[in-house]
Amino acid sequence: GEDVEQSLFLSVREGDSSVINCTYTDSSSTYLYWYKQEPGAGLQLLTYIFSNMDMKQDQRLTVLLNKKDKHLSLRIADTQTGDSAIYFCAERDSGNTPLVFGKGTRLSVIA
Amino acid sequence: KAGVTQTPRYLIKTRGQQVTLSCSPISGHRSVSWYQQTPGQGLQFLFEYFSETQRNKGNFPGRFSGRQFSNSRSEMNVSTLELGDSALYLCASSKEGAVDTEAFFGQGTRLTVV
Repeated sequence: GEDVEQSLFLSVREGDSSVINCTYTDSSSTYLYWYKQEPGAGLQLLTYIFSNMDMKQDQRLTVLLNKKDKHLSLRIADTQTGDSAIYFCAERDSGNTPLVFGKGTRLSVIA
Repeated sequence: KAGVTQTPRYLIKTRGQQVTLSCSPISGHRSVSWYQQTPGQGLQFLFEYFSETQRNKGNFPGRFSGRQFSNSRSEMNVSTLELGDSALYLCASSKEGAVDTEAFFGQGTRLTVV
């Protein structure tokens, strides 16, 4: 079945760049997403990328997609303490299919 | 515009009881999905409703059920609660036909079964 894998923890210093990685198995994944979850809150969509794209940049966020290796990454430039949260990678085949999530990467930002 | 609203935010129930959770999607969104989030299993898909019909279903036992009303509001029900049902239940709404197919999540209902 479909599977999405992420490393569980990442710790960075404030001001550095963070890179969160994700791999997925479903070759028919059409949409790939990054969500952020802060303590006690639901999931907030950060950004998404279509499978026919290699890169997407949105302010401090850069998403890179290597479709051949089924590898997705999220780079956060100039990481701030407010970026401390759990980041989920997710994929879906189409707008009508469920999101499949990774288990999340807990990002800790050290001041 | 108002976001996805889930009620209640917190619930404590006893084993064997049943519970109903509610989700009001963003106005104009016709698709509502439910997810269970636990520390061990992460986020797992329960089911999705679109125009009052269940369109997708995850691998959960029949104790988990849901429905959607004509105003797109959705409820999920869990009968004969077990300790392992303790989790954060998240609801997401989507606008059918949207180019970006974004799913917007509510803050969740935290269910504790004792």
